[in-house]
Amino acid sequence: DTAVSQTPKYLVTQMGNDKSIKCEQNLGHDTMYWYKQDSKKFLKIMFSYNNKELIINETVPNRFSPKSPDKAHLNLHINSLELGDSAVYFCASSQDRRSNQPQHFGDGTRLSIL
Amino acid sequence: GESVGLHLPTLSVQEGDNSIINCAYSNSASDYFIWYKQESGKGPQFIIDIRSNMDKRQGQRVTVLLNKTVKHLSLQIAATQPGDSAVYFCAENIEYKLSFGAGTTVTVRA
Repeated sequence: DTAVSQTPKYLVTQMGNDKSIKCEQNLGHDTMYWYKQDSKKFLKIMFSYNNKELIINETVPNRFSPKSPDKAHLNLHINSLELGDSAVYFCASSQDRRSNQPQHFGDGTRLSIL
Repeated sequence: GESVGLHLPTLSVQEGDNSIINCAYSNSASDYFIWYKQESGKGPQFIIDIRSNMDKRQGQRVTVLLNKTVKHLSLQIAATQPGDSAVYFCAENIEYKLSFGAGTTVTVRA
């Protein structure tokens, strides 16, 4: 059983399109995250939800909109995709929002914009 | 093998030798630190963590050392194996956010 699973694993699409990435965790965790990893492997947090409530919203274009229908799911919708959005997007979860909790990551969604 | 200094992006180590990966963190108020391993095509995988009230923690074949005076973290891997080849990230946690270092690519030579 995969603890944090993301779909799709690969996403190739054209500039200007709208796409979604889904994430589910079966760990019973309260807190979920979205990260972006660029071509130089830098990992940067984008959003965090705690029990369906947005708690972290870094400086991310408002074309990116996270949605958490329940605490086991955190989806990422991206409007009007741009070339610079090409990256690997990782979902993660942790038991709760306390700082001394490891985050568990999915295997990523590689987004390529043509 | 050792990545000397604040950070080196790559480390080549002979199989069976010990590896030391170094990391400098930025915020003296950080209270929790994690090392992750990322293999090609996979997400970061938790290796070991340490809280700021400790200076050393050991796991299976891995040891993390924390020096708060100079804001330095290191990961030691004993008897490095081919399966240890990966990118290693340190991360500091402050105010519920993980901030990742640049990553060190470890290559194990047979």
